[in-house]
Amino acid sequence: DQQVKQNSPSLSVQEGRISILNCDYTNSMFDYFLWYKKYPAEGPTFLISISSIKDKNEDGRFTVFLNKSAKHLSLHIVPSQPGDSAVYFCAARNNFNKFYFGSGTKLNVKP
Amino acid sequence: DSGVTQTPKHLITATGQRVTLRCSPRSGDLSVYWYQQSLDQGLQFLIQYYNGEERAKGNILERFSAQQFPDLHSELNLSSLELGDSALYFCASSNRQGSYGYTFGSGTRLTVV
Repeated sequence: DQQVKQNSPSLSVQEGRISILNCDYTNSMFDYFLWYKKYPAEGPTFLISISSIKDKNEDGRFTVFLNKSAKHLSLHIVPSQPGDSAVYFCAARNNFNKFYFGSGTKLNVKP
Repeated sequence: DSGVTQTPKHLITATGQRVTLRCSPRSGDLSVYWYQQSLDQGLQFLIQYYNGEERAKGNILERFSAQQFPDLHSELNLSSLELGDSALYFCASSNRQGSYGYTFGSGTRLTVV
């Protein structure tokens, strides 16, 4: 049962432009959301989070938006840099403190 | 360095064999999680331990087992290996049962030939 979905397996963006990565979820009880970034041969690393009581959280070039009514989460990267090229996973926490991960979106930022 | 240590980094073994993957959690973290990432797949949750006790099970095969020891390190045992078990296996740890996210290790790449 895939409760967290990332429907775009890959995304290609020009350096300096905006990258938008999307994530949809099905469980309305999810109350905390995370984005992880993963480089090849490394483990995922925490990037940014948002609580369900907020609709936006910003950290430098990274902003996460949450639309609870649509059960949709997005990560915006502005401006995109070649070093941002990686696989991005979204994750959502249920009321038992268990996280569910999406399948990942591979971002390629072209110089 | 995330503080979560996984060994070995790479493992090549034959079908039918048994291997053990090891994970040392970040200092102070009581929870350990095991995930499998197959080619082009997402992170599939296998199992969670909290302070030595099994807390949750995901899509873990009966040929696989895990345990968490008193010093909080964990081992994932994979037996009767099949070609399809080739994957990246990640360990993650957290405090307070993962309330605010996990810290991942760099993974063990298992290749079954």
